[in-house]
Amino acid sequence: NAGVTQTPKFRVLKTGQSMTLLCAQDMNHEYMYWYRQDPGMGLRLIHYSVGEGTTAKGEVPDGYNVSRLKKQNFLLGLESAAPSQTSVYFCASSRTGTSGYNEQFFGPGTRLTVL
Amino acid sequence: AQSVTQLDSHVSVSEGTPVLLRCNYSSSYSPSLFWYVQHPNKGLQLLLKYTSAATLVKGINGFEAEFKKSETSFHLTKPSAHMSDAAEYFCVVGQPNTGTASKLTFGTGTRLQVTL
Repeated sequence: NAGVTQTPKFRVLKTGQSMTLLCAQDMNHEYMYWYRQDPGMGLRLIHYSVGEGTTAKGEVPDGYNVSRLKKQNFLLGLESAAPSQTSVYFCASSRTGTSGYNEQFFGPGTRLTVL
Repeated sequence: AQSVTQLDSHVSVSEGTPVLLRCNYSSSYSPSLFWYVQHPNKGLQLLLKYTSAATLVKGINGFEAEFKKSETSFHLTKPSAHMSDAAEYFCVVGQPNTGTASKLTFGTGTRLQVTL
């Protein structure tokens, strides 16, 4: 049981390049999330998904797109990377939100630098 | 709406002394509250969660937190710090039973330093 995994662990991009971050979970969770973590700001929600084929915007969605084609995978795309997107990106998953106090399980993170 | 404030960005304690990390929250709902820990270059790990069953919540590694509704606080404590406790700690408030994703709002974090 690997939990939540993220690929890649590190990446350096040039401004304007594109890339996709992959998140996978093996806990059969319905909900998945993408966050970014910046110094002194905690974690901020980029996009989330409440099930296969559905996505929704979070707090800071601009410049990112996501897809949830399979229940176990949640992809985060940057179409044209900008230096402001330099950050550590975390994926998380949880069971359905309607049952109450469901904690989220986090992946190890992807450290992205945009030059 | 919900928000969370971690009152200290940095706390330093000596090994073997008590730890207190302070957190205040604001929520329009009966809140769900969590403490997560993040060791350097690692992901976040759940320490404990408040689920309204008991106001004093025990977590892993000897940590506990007390939910005080009148003070809107959820402070994290440990009787005796260990060197391995040095990490970043996040207080988190969530929206339970809203029929949507379990959105979480994170505090800005408290870095715990443990010295010999």
